[in-house]
Parts: sequence; structure tokens; C-alpha cells
Amino acid sequence: AQKVTQAQTEISVVEKEDVTLDCVYETRDTTYYLFWYKQPPSGELVFLIRRNSFDEQNEISGRYSWNFQKSTSSFNFTITASQVVDSAVYFCALSGRDSNYQLIWGAGTKLIIKP
Amino acid sequence: KAGVTQTPRYLIKTRGQQVTLSCSPISGHRSVSWYQQTPGQGLQFLFEYFSETQRNKGNFPGRFSGRQFSNSRSEMNVSTLELGDSALYLCASSSMAGVTYEQYFGPGTRLTVT
Repeated sequence: AQKVTQAQTEISVVEKEDVTLDCVYETRDTTYYLFWYKQPPSGELVFLIRRNSFDEQNEISGRYSWNFQKSTSSFNFTITASQVVDSAVYFCALSGRDSNYQLIWGAGTKLIIKP
Repeated sequence: KAGVTQTPRYLIKTRGQQVTLSCSPISGHRSVSWYQQTPGQGLQFLFEYFSETQRNKGNFPGRFSGRQFSNSRSEMNVSTLELGDSALYLCASSSMAGVTYEQYFGPGTRLTVT
């Protein structure tokens, strides 16, 4: 069965620090999809990135970057020069045939950016 | 473009009652998915509808049901409410069928069962 582990329950950093959120997944599929979503205090989940299992290229979007490593089954998310507005709960999710194409979510990491 | 809207935003019900939640997707989106979020279980997939057909269903009892209308609006219904049904219910829409695509989420309906 598929599983997503976000071992960091809560991370607190001072503004402008870099921070990495870890995501480790388990799946028997060879084709699967990984996601990161952000949930600010308002509650509305916001899509950040989707990556399929055949695309191991790292991705950078502004201050956000993602490191996908199939060898370690990890899909980590780094925020560079963090800002207070980055404070939110971040979820990693996985979908594939093993989960009947349902989204399997990690428990989330609460990120607190202090001014 | 208007985002995903969910009504009502907050709801308080008594154990044993039933409840209907509504979701209006982004215009043009034909896929609507529902999720339950609780502190204990986290985010869990309930079901997905595409063009009025249920494509996928999560591991929830039959008390949880849904439907989608021809205008893509969706409703979910929970009958015989239990205390454990207290949760944030999130709706998401997508232009493509399946949850493996980018989804746009609504603000959720906070259901409290007393």
C-alpha cells in the first residue's frame, strides 16, 4: 500500500532562513505522482507542484525548490529566504495505481516563520 | 475566474441528523473531489465525480454519499451523523478527471457534530 511520511510535525525558523520540508513515500508502482500543497490559516489548500515518477529533474520556482530522489523515495521541498507569509501547513501527497488513484496524504508539516 | 465555493462554511448538527454540503467548482471544471480533514486522521479522500459519474470512492461507510449535477456542482450527504464526523470537509475541482492533476480547493465546510 502507498504511504507518505512527513516526519517533521512542526518547524520554526526566523525570517530569511532557508528551510527544508521532508517527504518520504512508499509505493509499489513504477508510475506515480507526487504533490505538494500548502494550507494557510484560511484553510484552503493551494497546489504547489506535481511531479510524475519519470521526471526526476529538480524544480525551482522563485524561492521554492523541490528535490525528487527515487533512490531514497523522497520528494523534499525547500524554501529559500523564508518570509512570514510562508507560514502554513504543507502537505505532501502521492497517487498511483497502488492507491486506486486516490490521493494519499502525509500528515503535514506546520511551518512557522518568525519575523 | 471565481474559485471553488463551498456552502455552508460552518455547520453544527446533532448526532443522528443528516447533513448536505454543497460545492461549486471553477467554471469549466468537470471533476469534483471531496476530502475529510480531521486532527486525528488527517486528510482523507472521500470520492470523486466527473461528468455526473462517481469515478472513485475512498474507504468511508455508506453513510457518506455524493452526487454531481449537470452544471458540475456537487453535493455530499452524510446521514446518521456521528461525533467522529466532525471535520473540515474540503471540495476540490479540476479540469481533468482523476486526482492526479492539479486540483483547486475551496475553503471548506467546518462540520461540528454534538
